[in-house]
Amino acid sequence: GENVEQHPSTLSVQEGDSAVIKCTYSDSASNYFPWYKQELGKRPQLIIDIRSNVGEKKDQRIAVTLNKTAKHFSLHITETQPEDSAVYFCAASTYAGGTSYGKLTFGQGTILTVHP
Amino acid sequence: NAGVTQTPKFQVLKTGQSMTLQCAQDMNHNSMYWYRQDPGMGLRLIYYSASEGTTDKGEVPNGYNVSRLNKREFSLRLESAAPSQTSVYFCASSAWREFSDYEQYFGPGTRLTVT
Repeated sequence: GENVEQHPSTLSVQEGDSAVIKCTYSDSASNYFPWYKQELGKRPQLIIDIRSNVGEKKDQRIAVTLNKTAKHFSLHITETQPEDSAVYFCAASTYAGGTSYGKLTFGQGTILTVHP
Repeated sequence: NAGVTQTPKFQVLKTGQSMTLQCAQDMNHNSMYWYRQDPGMGLRLIYYSASEGTTDKGEVPNGYNVSRLNKREFSLRLESAAPSQTSVYFCASSAWREFSDYEQYFGPGTRLTVT
């Protein structure tokens, strides 16, 4: 089955700095890669996702890049703010057919702390 | 539109007791999922139901059973609780139409402690 590794496990930055979280996956059939944000005591919520036919996607201060050859993808947050402090999870899945259809495999999570 | 709801929010069980966690969604989604979340281990899939009438094992199914009661409801049962099942349990749902609508919407979670 799919295996997703996420690094770093904790990340501390100053407000205004950039933050980068990296994930690698093992199943070359995976073609859908979402990122979820989970604030303390809350439920995970989707913040951005990318499909394998796209190399990069941006939404305001967040972006995700995908390298299919190396089987890794990254979340980039620019101009970080204290409200970005949360746990971030990457995930991988297959969105069209295959035995992994519809199932998300999550990374272990990154605790991001943005200091004012 | 409540989204995904779960009951109860908190539960304490003694080893060997049984209980059922309830989940319901009002978004007319086809697929529903149960995850457990433990510190440092992310979210691990217990069981999922791709569509009404079907259920399949996920990564960590041992000690659990599920029922997809109808399109809205998906329950998770612990037959004989063990301390290793102490965790936060999340239910999620998704439309998961091929080539569109992949976002999984999560419920608020159930914090379960087994003593």
